[in-house]
Amino acid sequence: GQNIDQPTEMTATEGAIVQINCTYQTSGFNGLFWYQQHAGEAPTFLSYNVLDGLEEKGRFSSFLSRSKGYSYLLLKELQMKDSASYLCAVRGNAGNNRKLIWGLGTSLAVNP
Amino acid sequence: DGGITQSPKYLFRKEGQNVTLSCEQNLNHDAMYWYRQDPGQGLRLIYYSQIVNDFQKGDIAEGYSVSREKKESFPLTVTSAQKNPTAFYLCASSPRTGRQDTEAFFGQGTRLTVV
Repeated sequence: GQNIDQPTEMTATEGAIVQINCTYQTSGFNGLFWYQQHAGEAPTFLSYNVLDGLEEKGRFSSFLSRSKGYSYLLLKELQMKDSASYLCAVRGNAGNNRKLIWGLGTSLAVNP
Repeated sequence: DGGITQSPKYLFRKEGQNVTLSCEQNLNHDAMYWYRQDPGQGLRLIYYSQIVNDFQKGDIAEGYSVSREKKESFPLTVTSAQKNPTAFYLCASSPRTGRQDTEAFFGQGTRLTVV
């Protein structure tokens, strides 16, 4: 089967660093995405990894290890507005019409 | 500005009525998707379309129908056969190219409440 696991909830303090992990088991792999979703709003794209290693984008970084089926999203210098749900998604192979397979999301609460 | 538009943002319907949710994009994307999101659950794929006049069932298509007569539009009808229609519905689009790093762009969502 296909499965993506993320922690359900996390809490962190303003100004700190937090790492949100994602492990996946999918039939085929064509990239891993991280999205941010504020309550009642649409998900917005944060990052994409298809090769092993770290991708950095300002305060956000994302890491991928394909051999371990593992990714993490690293948020630095946390701000209150970072309180949101963070969704991990994997794009399957061509046989699945390259659909995105979604995790349940990690709800991050940033406290002052 | 290019984007993907869902309307309305909030929709109320009586049980037993069909309702159609609108999704329009001017991004020139080939692929379009409909997802449903319930509290505590991830995004679940209802239907998707890779090209005009073609669409495929997703994981939870029962009780829903779609059409793709134009590239820009992918309306979703929630029929009376859908047992639990109250949910947050998200439409998304993406380019259908050879490149893999083509993320999905989402509309603002429609929150449907059936009473």
